[in-house]
Amino acid sequence: DAMVIQNPRYQVTQFGKPVTLSCSQTLNHNVMYWYQQKSSQAPKLLFHYYDKDFNNEADTPDNFQSRRPNTSFCFLDIRSPGLGDAAMYLCATSRELVYEQYFGPGTRLTVT
Amino acid sequence: SQQGEEDPQALSIQEGENATMNCSYKTSINNLQWYRQNSGRGLVHLILIRSNEREKHSGRLRVTLDTSKKSSSLLITASRAADTASYFCATDANRNSGYALNFGKGTSLLVTP
Repeated sequence: DAMVIQNPRYQVTQFGKPVTLSCSQTLNHNVMYWYQQKSSQAPKLLFHYYDKDFNNEADTPDNFQSRRPNTSFCFLDIRSPGLGDAAMYLCATSRELVYEQYFGPGTRLTVT
Repeated sequence: SQQGEEDPQALSIQEGENATMNCSYKTSINNLQWYRQNSGRGLVHLILIRSNEREKHSGRLRVTLDTSKKSSSLLITASRAADTASYFCATDANRNSGYALNFGKGTSLLVTP
């Protein structure tokens, strides 16, 4: 029944140690998004894929990369996590841009 | 960049009461959406209202949109403890990366039994 799945739900990594977060969807949606959300703040869009087209937000640090090997999966790679990257990372999908988005449960990232 | 701003930031009511949250935005939109987020979870889509619509209902939810004032409101009637969550409005925006949603900072709603 789960439509947008994120793994792991909780991730602890060390300062500077690369980490990959994963998202998969069963909705066959064209668009997949990655958001960063810090405590009591709005979700902040990092980037999105429309099919295979990658769209990076202007203020997303180079430290954040993404891959979408197929329609169902999308990965968020943080090359050298800093303490400021500790946050909830949310994956979402939508059939088309600006349609309603379906969110996964999120991955809580802790950087030690 | 953030376009939607919710008001109030926090709201505390008792079960059975109505809760009203407001959202203001700055530029023209095609549609406005409301989402709910339970603590530590992902967001859940509630309602999408298009710019040519003035009001929309879904169960105990009522959303209004006033494009002349660039504002929207979300009314939850007969609130329940399970409605305790953060509520975000989101507006579409044309950005360098294409159309995407801008989320406001949210209203934190607490419904006490």
